[in-house]
Amino acid sequence: GEDVEQSLFLSVREGDSSVINCTYTDSSSTYLYWYKQEPGAGLQLLTYIFSNMDMKQDQRLTVLLNKKDKHLSLRIADTQTGDSAIYFCAEASGATNKLIFGTGTLLAVQP
Amino acid sequence: GAVVSQHPSWVICKSGTSVKIECRSLDFQATTMFWYRQFPKQSLMLMATSNEGSKATYEQGVEKDKFLINHASLTLSTLTVTSAHPEDSSFYICSARGGGGLSGASYNEQFFGPGTRLTVL
Repeated sequence: GEDVEQSLFLSVREGDSSVINCTYTDSSSTYLYWYKQEPGAGLQLLTYIFSNMDMKQDQRLTVLLNKKDKHLSLRIADTQTGDSAIYFCAEASGATNKLIFGTGTLLAVQP
Repeated sequence: GAVVSQHPSWVICKSGTSVKIECRSLDFQATTMFWYRQFPKQSLMLMATSNEGSKATYEQGVEKDKFLINHASLTLSTLTVTSAHPEDSSFYICSARGGGGLSGASYNEQFFGPGTRLTVL
């Protein structure tokens, strides 16, 4: 079945870049997403990339997609303390169009 | 645009009682709504998919008689946890997907509600 994996934890200093990685198994994924979840809150869509793209940049966010390796990354430039949250990648299953979420990465930004 | 609300934001109930959670799309019509459950420090797990006017489709392992889903209109879906037990305590999040009323957004995009924290004593 579909499976989406992420590293559990990432700690960076304020001002540095953060790179959060995600691997998935469904080669028929159509869209891949990055969501941010702050404590006790719902999910905020940060950005998404269509499966035929390699890269997408949106202000401080850069998404890289390696479809051959089924690897997705989110780079946050100039990371701020307000970026501290859990980040989920998700793939839209090509078969069902349901979202399959990754395990989540807790990003801790040290001042 | 594309706002989804949930009510209540949190609820505490006694074991054995039923709890209803509402999910509303405020400024667009949601042809499909999804219900997720999130246990502490874990990812979101899809419970069921509901399309307006038809029965919900439940994921494997989710009891349809325990988690009743109604999607009676294009802007409202409800999840009722019947005979709740402490192991049902979780964060329940809905999302909505649709087209009517949306502008500039992908039809495939899901818009998430803020979640409902259920605690069963």
